Amino acid sequence: DARVTQTPRHKVTEMGQEVTMRCQPILGHNTVFWYRQTMMQGLELLAYFRNRAPLDDSGMPKDRFSAEMPDATLATLKIQPSEPRDSAVYFCASGMQGWTQYFGPGTRLTVL
Amino acid sequence: AQSVSQHNHHVILSEAASLELGCNYSYGGTVNLFWYVQYPGQHLQLLLKYFSGDPLVKGIKGFEAEFIKSKFSFNLRKPSVQWSDTAEYFCAVNAQGNDMRFGAGTRLTVKP
Repeated sequence: DARVTQTPRHKVTEMGQEVTMRCQPILGHNTVFWYRQTMMQGLELLAYFRNRAPLDDSGMPKDRFSAEMPDATLATLKIQPSEPRDSAVYFCASGMQGWTQYFGPGTRLTVL
Repeated sequence: AQSVSQHNHHVILSEAASLELGCNYSYGGTVNLFWYVQYPGQHLQLLLKYFSGDPLVKGIKGFEAEFIKSKFSFNLRKPSVQWSDTAEYFCAVNAQGNDMRFGAGTRLTVKP
């Protein structure tokens, strides 16, 4: 049963520290999405990639966030420096263009 | 631009009551339609999807949704809810060639 995996599942860090979240999409999927979910803002699309190329990162604060796909099996989302307002659950999802997105379990980030 | 509207922010029902959650979208072309469910503390899971064919789609756990093209709607229904249906429900729309847009979500609370 193919699944999207994310690591770490939980991360507690102090303000100013770098945070790296990793996602392994389902093998064969060509599109990878990063979402952020908070109580106040709900589900927000941060960025997405198709065939490893960034297509849209307009939802991401550019000064501190960066997203990459070093290869087809790994997507990363980095925050440097982290701030308390970045506390949220970060979801990765993968799919084929235009079709169902499959979500990972999420990384719950707490920035103190 | 594509947009998805979910009319109800929070719905509270008693067990055995019938459920209907509204979803409308703004895109006029061919669309793929989805409902996702997020149980407390978990990630989004696909509940059902419509790509083509019979506009009445049956999903898991007794849920169904009806695509009404003339109304740009894809409402989710369940004849008799259970306490375990307490969750947040997201409608999503994908216009072929573009990527998915999610509604703001509807929180369902089922009282035992």
